[in-house]
Amino acid sequence: EDQVTQSPEALRLQEGESSSLNCSYTVSGLRGLFWYRQDPGKGPEFLFTLYSAGEEKEKERLKATLTKKESFLHITAPKPEDSATYLCAVQAAAEENNAGNMLTFGGGTRLMVKP
Amino acid sequence: EADIYQTPRYLVIGTGKKITLECSQTMGHDKMYWYQQDPGMELHLIHYSYGVNSTEKGDLSSESTVSRIRTEHFPLTLESARPSHTSQYLCASSPQINRNSPLHFGNGTRLTVT
Repeated sequence: EDQVTQSPEALRLQEGESSSLNCSYTVSGLRGLFWYRQDPGKGPEFLFTLYSAGEEKEKERLKATLTKKESFLHITAPKPEDSATYLCAVQAAAEENNAGNMLTFGGGTRLMVKP
Repeated sequence: EADIYQTPRYLVIGTGKKITLECSQTMGHDKMYWYQQDPGMELHLIHYSYGVNSTEKGDLSSESTVSRIRTEHFPLTLESARPSHTSQYLCASSPQINRNSPLHFGNGTRLTVT
């Protein structure tokens, strides 16, 4: 069974204090790993897709990396507007032959950045 | 920018009532999904659809039902609401052509059953 575990559950940072969020996964053949951002009272907003170990993607202060067992979301010099819950999800290769896009989500990391 | 709309945003209803949560998307996506999310918990897939007249149950057992009569519309119905149905319900869609396409989510319906 596919599993996704995110740590820490919550993270408080001062503005400008860089850190990393972790997403550990077990999946029967990874087809893709997705990062989403979710603000309170809203649906998840897509950030990145990573497909293979060693891949990296960047967007503003965020950088996502991928290994065979985990992914990191690095936040460089965060600002208060980066405060949100960050969700990680995996798509297994086994899903390719049926519905596709079937994702297993982790519980998220709630990030709070104080000015 | 994703255009997927859910109504109502908030719903408080008594036990035993029938409710329908609406979800519409204007992107022409073939695939649509319903997820359930409790506070601080993972999203769990309860229903999905490949396209018109296609509906499937997800990983999480649910007493709800769905229909897909039009591409853009994917409503979820609870025939008799119970307090255990209290949760946030998120609708999502994605195009058929690329299985790696990310899901586009609506802003959810927060349901409270008293």
